[in-house]
Amino acid sequence: QITLKESGLTLVKPTQTLTLTCTFSGFSLSTSGVGVGWIRQPPGKALEWLALIYWDDDKRYSPSLKSRLTITKDTSKNQVVLTMTNMDPVDTATYYCAHFPSSRSAFDIWGQGTMVTVSS
Amino acid sequence: DIQMTQSPSSLSASVGDRVTITCQASQDISNYLNWYQQKPGKAPKLLIYDASNLETGVPSRFSGSGSGTDFTFTVSSLQPEDVATYYCQQHDNLPFTFGPGTKVDIK
Repeated sequence: QITLKESGLTLVKPTQTLTLTCTFSGFSLSTSGVGVGWIRQPPGKALEWLALIYWDDDKRYSPSLKSRLTITKDTSKNQVVLTMTNMDPVDTATYYCAHFPSSRSAFDIWGQGTMVTVSS
Repeated sequence: DIQMTQSPSSLSASVGDRVTITCQASQDISNYLNWYQQKPGKAPKLLIYDASNLETGVPSRFSGSGSGTDFTFTVSSLQPEDVATYYCQQHDNLPFTFGPGTKVDIK
């Protein structure tokens, strides 16, 4: 059974850096074809894809946020970390991580999400 | 970026009704289109991948079709537990992009 869970600070100040950790179980990020992605959702708004890391350490980012994002993995800890610099109130959102099998190219299992508020 | 549009933005239907949502891509995405269901306060759930493939465990009343730029998502007989917002998402080109969502409730 695949599960994912997001963790990190839920309140950050403008200009600070957000660090979110996705801890997962039920799969390995060293298995060919596996990826983990991050998606966010501002309150009452649609989903927005942020970043994706593959089993071979290939990393992809949303072009509009690429300069602010870094995604890394720690295979031994079954964790994926997303950092976002220079946070702004418009970045207030629920942040989700999700399992991404290349065989389906879809986010098939999602974490519960973590609500991040950016406010001074 | 590939822009995704959905219509309608919301709908209200009776239990047992057939419900159809359309999704349009700004360019040809072949069949690289997924559908998700998001219930209030919950994470999205994958229902359909590659336009028409039903995810394991998803009830057969859900279906998808289409290719190119025009796609359709159908609930053949709406149930109370189907109250949710439904999103399409293309995976033909990065960045992955989602539609704005269609909110479905019971009349």
